[in-house]
Amino acid sequence: KNEVEQSPQNLTAQEGEFITINCSYSVGISALHWLQQHPGGGIVSLFMLSSGKKKHGRLIATINIQEKHSSLHITASHPRDSAVYICAVSSGGSQGNLIFGKGTKLSVKP
Amino acid sequence: EPEVTQTPSHQVTQMGQEVILRCVPISNHLYFYWYRQILGQKVEFLVSFYNNEISEKSEIFDDQFSVERPDGSNFTLKIRSTKLEDSAMYFCASSGEYYGYTFGSGTRLTVV
Repeated sequence: KNEVEQSPQNLTAQEGEFITINCSYSVGISALHWLQQHPGGGIVSLFMLSSGKKKHGRLIATINIQEKHSSLHITASHPRDSAVYICAVSSGGSQGNLIFGKGTKLSVKP
Repeated sequence: EPEVTQTPSHQVTQMGQEVILRCVPISNHLYFYWYRQILGQKVEFLVSFYNNEISEKSEIFDDQFSVERPDGSNFTLKIRSTKLEDSAMYFCASSGEYYGYTFGSGTRLTVV
């Protein structure tokens, strides 16, 4: 059983659409991370959440600890948002090793 | 913004050879990690390192693997005798009070 499940696995959107990627986890956590991986392979940290909601530009991340669920939203999507978005959880705050989901491959068409 | 630097970006090695992957973590971070991602699969934790010793390791991190912090800046992952199944992207990461969790750009290891 996967400890971190993401949906959908693949997502194609038209430029300008509002996008939601979901993450559910089955283990106790102290923090949840949303990461972005571009085709070249590098991983960039977008958010680290332990409760509530965070916003950065057109990206919004929310977490519901009771339901063990998090969402990543992208408003006014753009082709440059095309990437794999990965949810990962840790039990050690900012210092613990991460358990990764399989990722959601997003493609935004112009 | 500070970066985690990994070298080399690509490495091709023959099966059975030793490889050393190098990482320079963010200078005021105290926690260091190695992860790997086999092509088409999810990222997997290998090992974490704190205060000059391994703090946690996964089942993947067997006796073929070792980590070192040979000086104040570098953090290395050594694979003693590479196997075909070690072919993957290896990511170094560091974390601390400032700048959170930061990943390097990865080393793509190909074992032939």
